[in-house]
Amino acid sequence: DAGVTQSPTHLIKTRGQHVTLRCSPISGHKSVSWYQQVLGQGPQFIFQYYEKEERGRGNFPDRFSARQFPNYSSELNVNALLLGDSALYLCASSLYSSEGYEQYFGPGTRLTVT
Amino acid sequence: AQRVTQPEKLLSVFKGAPVELKCNYSYSGSPELFWYVQYSRQRLQLLLRHISRESIKGFTADLNKGETSFHLKKPFAQEEDSAMYYCALRPLYGQNFVFGPGTRLSVLP
Repeated sequence: DAGVTQSPTHLIKTRGQHVTLRCSPISGHKSVSWYQQVLGQGPQFIFQYYEKEERGRGNFPDRFSARQFPNYSSELNVNALLLGDSALYLCASSLYSSEGYEQYFGPGTRLTVT
Repeated sequence: AQRVTQPEKLLSVFKGAPVELKCNYSYSGSPELFWYVQYSRQRLQLLLRHISRESIKGFTADLNKGETSFHLKKPFAQEEDSAMYYCALRPLYGQNFVFGPGTRLSVLP
């Protein structure tokens, strides 16, 4: 298993445009979470999806939306991009086992808004 | 509100010296606490979590509910421990993780 995969690796967009980021979870994981990591800070929670339903939402504007597909992959959409949206966007898939909650991160998509 | 603080942005120690990375949290309930590590050019990965009470790569962390702390410790630091370390909290019945700002550990030869 390649682990959590994300595409694209890097992306440059202009203010006002929209962007779609993609994530494929580890096989067997039904939950996907999205995080934004601004340079010099820790990851900040955006969304969690489980079985195609939104289970959690962080403090982000409505310009941010996401969805999960029947194969458990996920998309994060950001509309009307602002310069402040420039960040590393991380996807994590998770599994709750007898040993507790385990979350596995992808390599991230670096978004630059100019 | 849930919050995780890591007071040190950068911590430098010499090889073989003890290391302690501090983490404090604010949460009214019973959280799960985690330490994540990111080595250079690698993805973020779980180092350890409080409920398993295990030692990974020589690191341990004890949850102190009275002081709301979850400090990460290692008695003898190695150069390969140099990395970015993040403390994270998950509410007991919540779906989101709250991460601290991270501490960069640099182990000098």
